[in-house]
Amino acid sequence: NAGVTQTPKFQVLKTGQSMTLQCAQDMNHEYMSWYRQDPGMGLRLIHYSVGAGITDQGEVPNGYNVSRSTTEDFPLRLLSAAPSQTSVYFCASSSRAQYNSPLHFGNGTRLTVT
Amino acid sequence: GDSVTQMEGPVTLSEEAFLTINCTYTATGYPSLFWYVQYPGEGLQLLLKATKADDKGSNKGFEATYRKETTSFHLEKGSVQVSDSAVYFCALINYGGSQGNLIFGKGTKLSVKP
Repeated sequence: NAGVTQTPKFQVLKTGQSMTLQCAQDMNHEYMSWYRQDPGMGLRLIHYSVGAGITDQGEVPNGYNVSRSTTEDFPLRLLSAAPSQTSVYFCASSSRAQYNSPLHFGNGTRLTVT
Repeated sequence: GDSVTQMEGPVTLSEEAFLTINCTYTATGYPSLFWYVQYPGEGLQLLLKATKADDKGSNKGFEATYRKETTSFHLEKGSVQVSDSAVYFCALINYGGSQGNLIFGKGTKLSVKP
């Protein structure tokens, strides 16, 4: 059982470049989310989705776009990368059918923007 | 809005020492509380949870009790091991206040020396 899979594991971008961070889960979870982790800041929610076709903004959405065309996939797009987006990004999913079900995390993507 | 505050790290202990990591929260209503652990190079994993006041969550020798009167959920372990070295995150979910999104504290890094 793969769980939550994130690709790539590492990425270096130049300022202004665009890229997509991929996230896929095989647990048929309705809820998916993206967090960024920065030193001393903990995890901050970027965007989330409660089901296919539904997305919403979290705490720090600026500079990021998401879409949810299928239950399994929830890609995060950086349209014009900035050094402030250097961070570790985590995708997570959970089942909303079970109240208080835990979040399942991927292993993260470490992004450096120069 | 809802928030979680946990003690600053890093915390360094000798093997077999007693561990306490303090966590307090601010939330309306009746949130559920969680402790997640992040081992080096990995995503976060659920360690334990409590869904109502006076509940005690426990796992792998770790315990935390949901104290509504003090809005706290402190993590404890009687005898830590080197393998417990990790970053620990306190978190809450509040379907009324935070739309069902998990809100994290900033994390506490624990290092256990042999």
